[in-house]
Amino acid sequence: AQSVTQPDIHITVSEGASLELRCNYSYGATPYLFWYVQSPGQGLQLLLKYFSGDTLVQGIKGFEAEFKRSQSSFNLRKPSVHWSDAAEYFCVARGVGGYNKLIFGAGTRLAVHP
Amino acid sequence: DARVTQTPRHKVTEMGQEVTMRCQPILGHNTVFWYRQTMMQGLELLAYFRNRAPLDDSGMPKDRFSAEMPDATLATLKIQPSEPRDSAVYFCASGWLAGGQETQYFGPGTRLLVL
Repeated sequence: AQSVTQPDIHITVSEGASLELRCNYSYGATPYLFWYVQSPGQGLQLLLKYFSGDTLVQGIKGFEAEFKRSQSSFNLRKPSVHWSDAAEYFCVARGVGGYNKLIFGAGTRLAVHP
Repeated sequence: DARVTQTPRHKVTEMGQEVTMRCQPILGHNTVFWYRQTMMQGLELLAYFRNRAPLDDSGMPKDRFSAEMPDATLATLKIQPSEPRDSAVYFCASGWLAGGQETQYFGPGTRLLVL
């Protein structure tokens, strides 16, 4: 069955520290991959997406993600976290072509200490 | 900066009342989705439209929920009658499906509380 796993439910980092949020997927074929961020009381905002090509993807707000086919992973990174990055982050996958539902990871809640 | 808009942002109602939520997708998008988010279930897909046609509503309780797109600028999700278990945040998302690729953009959500 198709699935997306975010192993870390909750992560706390200090402001200015680097961040890596993990994501692994299980699909029959390489899916399209997305990272969304949800701030409290807000909708989901697209950070970045991977369809094909360069495996290092740049997104908004200084985030990047690296697709690694051999590890079925799509980890999200940021070199220096800001207090405003505190939110919940969702790794999402979608099958290629036509109508395919988004498969959401359970989310990782990020807390940032001053 | 094109965005998906949803109204109302918050709704408190009593059990048995009808609730209508509205969504304006991003102009030019050809797909619209309705999701429900709860703490227990996370994000669940309720309905999917492409070019205004409903293609998948398998996630939606048929007896009380209905979703429509009267025109390309408006999608509605209706609950009649509402029940306390319907309390959740309802998100609309829109996208452009082309060449098998699609990115969904989410609205801010309608927070529904049924008493």
